[in-house]
Amino acid sequence: DQQVKQNSPSLSVQEGRISILNCDYTNSMFDYFLWYKKYPAEGPTFLISISSIKDKNEDGRFTVFLNKSAKHLSLHIVPSQPGDSAVYFCAASALSNFGNEKLTFGTGTRLTIIP
Amino acid sequence: KAGVTQTPRYLIKTRGQQVTLSCSPISGHRSVSWYQQTPGQGLQFLFEYFSETQRNKGNFPGRFSGRQFSNSRSEMNVSTLELGDSALYLCASSLGQGIGYEQYFGPGTRLTVT
Repeated sequence: DQQVKQNSPSLSVQEGRISILNCDYTNSMFDYFLWYKKYPAEGPTFLISISSIKDKNEDGRFTVFLNKSAKHLSLHIVPSQPGDSAVYFCAASALSNFGNEKLTFGTGTRLTIIP
Repeated sequence: KAGVTQTPRYLIKTRGQQVTLSCSPISGHRSVSWYQQTPGQGLQFLFEYFSETQRNKGNFPGRFSGRQFSNSRSEMNVSTLELGDSALYLCASSLGQGIGYEQYFGPGTRLTVT
């Protein structure tokens, strides 16, 4: 049961344009959402996050939008740069049965920026 | 400051064998989490250790186990390997436990089971 879904396995965007990566979730107990970026042969690195009490968080070229009613979040990158080519994972946090927060990741979207 | 290191980086094992993977967190970090990454499933949480105690566990069978030492280094063990255990195993460390602490990932150990 995939509680966090990234339905687009890949996305190609022209350099300078906006990249929009989408993520849907099913668990209404998720209260914190994160985006990670992963280059080949490296571990994921944290990019940006958003609390469930907000609907938008911006950090430079990166903006995350949260629509709780639709259980949907998106990551906007503008303008897109060649160095943004990577796999992007969205993740959501909720308390586990152990009473501690646990991250649930999506399957990832491979973003390719075309020069 | 050195990042999270994982050894070995690549490993080939045969079905039925067991394997131990090692993770050295960033100096000062006390929490270590383990994830399994496969193409179809993304990153799946295995377990989290904090101060040598398992604080959190994902939905994996008992063949997957781990431990953390007093210096915060962690090991993950998989017994009776199956073909489906072939994956990239990632370890992440953080200063403390909880979502307020950023997780820093290592490069992973690529395990192939034949």
